[in-house]
Amino acid sequence: EPEVTQTPSHQVTQMGQEVILRCVPISNHLYFYWYRQILGQKVEFLVSFYNNEISEKSEIFDDQFSVERPDGSNFTLKIRSTKLEDSAMYFCASRLLGGNTEAFFGQGTRLTVV
Amino acid sequence: GEDVEQSLFLSVREGDSSVINCTYTDSSSTYLYWYKQEPGAGLQLLTYIFSNMDMKQDQRLTVLLNKKDKHLSLRIADTQTGDSAIYFCAENRSQGNLIFGKGTKLSVKP
Repeated sequence: EPEVTQTPSHQVTQMGQEVILRCVPISNHLYFYWYRQILGQKVEFLVSFYNNEISEKSEIFDDQFSVERPDGSNFTLKIRSTKLEDSAMYFCASRLLGGNTEAFFGQGTRLTVV
Repeated sequence: GEDVEQSLFLSVREGDSSVINCTYTDSSSTYLYWYKQEPGAGLQLLTYIFSNMDMKQDQRLTVLLNKKDKHLSLRIADTQTGDSAIYFCAENRSQGNLIFGKGTKLSVKP
C-alpha cells in the first residue's frame, strides 16, 4: 500500500540552527501539506502546496518557514532559525486531489530544539 | 469560536460502547473526519462523513452528524483494548486543509 514517508523520525537541533524536514508524498498525489503537533496539543495546519507553489498558509507559517519540492518526489519543510517553541511533531500529508479526497499522513518527524 | 471542540478524556470498559463527541465551526465544511493516533504513531484516517449525510456505519464504527448543531460523534461498538488511542475530529476547509480538535484520549480498561 502506498504511503507517505518522512525522514528523519527524530531530529534534535540547537536553537538558532536551520533544519530541513523531508517527506516523500505518494507518487501520483498533487496536493501536499505540513502540519505540526506540539506535545499534548492539537494538530495544526501549517501550509498547503500545489502546482509548485504555496496555495494556503496559516499564521504559524511565518518567514522562518519555507517549503520546497526540489525534485518532483521530495517535499521539504525548512525552518531557518529554530526556536525552542518549534519543538513539535511535524506531519506531512498528501492528497490525490484537493478538496475532499482523503489526506494520507506520514508517521511524523519529532523535532526537539535545545 | 474558531476551534473544533472535543472532550479530552474518555474511559470505558472492554466490550462497552464508546461515544466520542465533537463540535465544529464551519457550516460549509463538506467532509468531516475522524483520525486515530496511537502512541508515537502518525494519524490514521478511521472514517469520514459527507455533510449531506446524517449517519455512516462502517463495521464497529458509527458516525452521527447533526449539521444544525454542528455536532459530530463517533461510536465504537464492542470497544477493545486495541482501540486505546487519541481520536481527532477534523473539518475540511478550503484547499483541503484540515482543522483538528485537540483530540480525545480513549482508555479501555480490561
